[in-house]
Amino acid sequence: SQQGEEDPQALSIQEGENATMNCSYKTSINNLQWYRQNSGRGLVHLILIRSNEREKHSGRLRVTLDTSKKSSSLLITASRAADTASYFCATGSGGYQKVTFGTGTKLQVIP
Amino acid sequence: EAQVTQNPRYLITVTGKKLTVTCSQNMNHEYMSWYRQDPGLGLRQIYYSMNVEVTDKGDVPEGYKVSRKEKRNFPLILESPSPNQTSLYFCASSLGQNSYNEQFFGPGTRLTVL
Repeated sequence: SQQGEEDPQALSIQEGENATMNCSYKTSINNLQWYRQNSGRGLVHLILIRSNEREKHSGRLRVTLDTSKKSSSLLITASRAADTASYFCATGSGGYQKVTFGTGTKLQVIP
Repeated sequence: EAQVTQNPRYLITVTGKKLTVTCSQNMNHEYMSWYRQDPGLGLRQIYYSMNVEVTDKGDVPEGYKVSRKEKRNFPLILESPSPNQTSLYFCASSLGQNSYNEQFFGPGTRLTVL
């Protein structure tokens, strides 16, 4: 079964608005990463947050992690049409590279 | 340019005809992995490799084989493809073996098995 489940499955917003995507997971983790995928292409790493961190920023991206609720959120501020893509959370656990991907949120930013 | 390459990018084949999808990385990464992506299921790991001659099963290994004879290459082999292996396949690599390492993905191989 999937470790990460993203919510919503699809999101459509106007350019300039903020986009928030959520990820819930089931078991304890060491870290959580967010990846972006443009249509049909390879995933690109966006940001990693460790299990002892609560919030992290990178440019227009803000990630939060609540380990008590087993959930994370990705906020994209001042969205642009170029942000249109699918976004996946990936949970890391164990000592080796065991990363489990969620099902993704498809974001559409309308110019 | 640092990258992961996959070939072919698109492949249509018939049931039972053996095929190999190649994956190569030029970043001297230790860890390599194969995923398949299906609608509504996200990415699922097929096989991974910690280093040369070290491979292990992921979550959905049935019907697939891999080998890691050289550090840069990690081919995915379908000995007898079936229609349920129609999918979008991604190869990925990372510098280290633990889950904190960013994975670099190839462009994908879209496979159709008739």
